[in-house]
Amino acid sequence: EAGVVQSPRYKIIEKKQPVAFWCNPISGHNTLYWYRQNLGQGPELLIRYENEEAVDDSQLPKDRFSAERLKGVDSTLKIQPAELGDSAVYLCASTPGGSETQYFGPGTRLLVL
Amino acid sequence: QQQVKQSPQSLIVQKGGISIINCAYENTAFDYFPWYQQFPGKGPALLIAIRPDVSEKKEGRFTISFNKSAKQFSLHIMDSQPGDSATYFCAVKRAGNTGKLIFGQGTTLQVKP
Repeated sequence: EAGVVQSPRYKIIEKKQPVAFWCNPISGHNTLYWYRQNLGQGPELLIRYENEEAVDDSQLPKDRFSAERLKGVDSTLKIQPAELGDSAVYLCASTPGGSETQYFGPGTRLLVL
Repeated sequence: QQQVKQSPQSLIVQKGGISIINCAYENTAFDYFPWYQQFPGKGPALLIAIRPDVSEKKEGRFTISFNKSAKQFSLHIMDSQPGDSATYFCAVKRAGNTGKLIFGQGTTLQVKP
């Protein structure tokens, strides 16, 4: 069974530029999460989807961050414009219904110069 | 607010030794306590998890000890191996809140041959 797929794996951009990350969860997993992991820290939840509905986006900086999960499968996280402090690893995770185990992708490492 | 405090920040253990990582939490409303393992360049992966109705859970060389009254839980790795060298994160989930994990800051474990 394929795991959570994320792309790109690495991204280097200049500040004020836009950037987007893509996530394909494990097939059949209806819950999808985006986390941000700063260097030397644990992941912090940005947004959680149940199918195509964002059910917890309280930690998402909505002035510059946006996310979507069309058709309840793939998801995209966007930052516009990026700031230096956005440099981090962006992790996507998914969970099948009724389970608490979150399966993480390898993440996208973002460097904002 | 820091709801989960993990210690130590780093740990060096000889092969065959016991690795012990601790977590303390501040809220009694959590009902799920997992440990995740993360290798460089990879996403976290669930190692073992416990619920507050039991005091200990063992899976192979990995054991969680849970002290509800002290609001602490710990991960014990018996017969530590060089392949166990990774970063370990404890996490908590609030009861009734589907999915959102709050992670500790992480412990980097190095097992020397």
